[in-house]
Amino acid sequence: DQQVKQNSPSLSVQEGRISILNCDYTNSMFDYFLWYKKYPAEGPTFLISISSIKDKNEDGRFTVFLNKSAKHLSLHIVPSQPGDSAVYFCAASVEFSGGYNKLIFGAGTRLAVHP
Amino acid sequence: GAGVSQSPRYKVAKRGQDVALRCDPISGHVSLFWYQQALGQGPEFLTYFQNEAQLDKSGLPSDRFFAERPEGSVSTLKIQRTQQEDSAVYLCASSPGARTNEKLFFGSGTQLSVL
Repeated sequence: DQQVKQNSPSLSVQEGRISILNCDYTNSMFDYFLWYKKYPAEGPTFLISISSIKDKNEDGRFTVFLNKSAKHLSLHIVPSQPGDSAVYFCAASVEFSGGYNKLIFGAGTRLAVHP
Repeated sequence: GAGVSQSPRYKVAKRGQDVALRCDPISGHVSLFWYQQALGQGPEFLTYFQNEAQLDKSGLPSDRFFAERPEGSVSTLKIQRTQQEDSAVYLCASSPGARTNEKLFFGSGTQLSVL
């Protein structure tokens, strides 16, 4: 039962254009959503996050949009740069009664930005 | 060190061998997670420590998997009698507090290949 889904395994975008990565989730109890970026042979690194009480968060070239009614979020990168080429993971956070949060990840989308 | 360190970087084991994977989290980080990432998939939760206490081990696939963090810093993930299906990248992540809403800091992982 995949609670976080990234239905596009890959995306190819021209440098300077907008990249849009999508993510769907099923659990309405998720209270925080995060995007991680992963280069080959490295661990994922945090990129941007959004609380479930917001619908948009922006950080430089990166913007995350959250549509709670549709249980959908998206990451926009504009303008896209070749260095953005990586695998992007969507993750959702859920709080447990033991006083901690756990992240549930999607399968990832491989973004290729070409000149 | 400045980041999360994992060793070994690569591990090849014959089926049936026991393996031990080490994680050095960022100094002072309270939370430590182990994730398993199969090829082409996102990281999947294995277990969680808050200091030395293992609060959640619901993701461990079988009783062949065992994790410990005896002094609340370094953690070891042990897999007994390895099977081919255990082949994956094992990621360790830490965070300063118990709430991981903001971000986890990941190590580069240990790539385990069981032959």
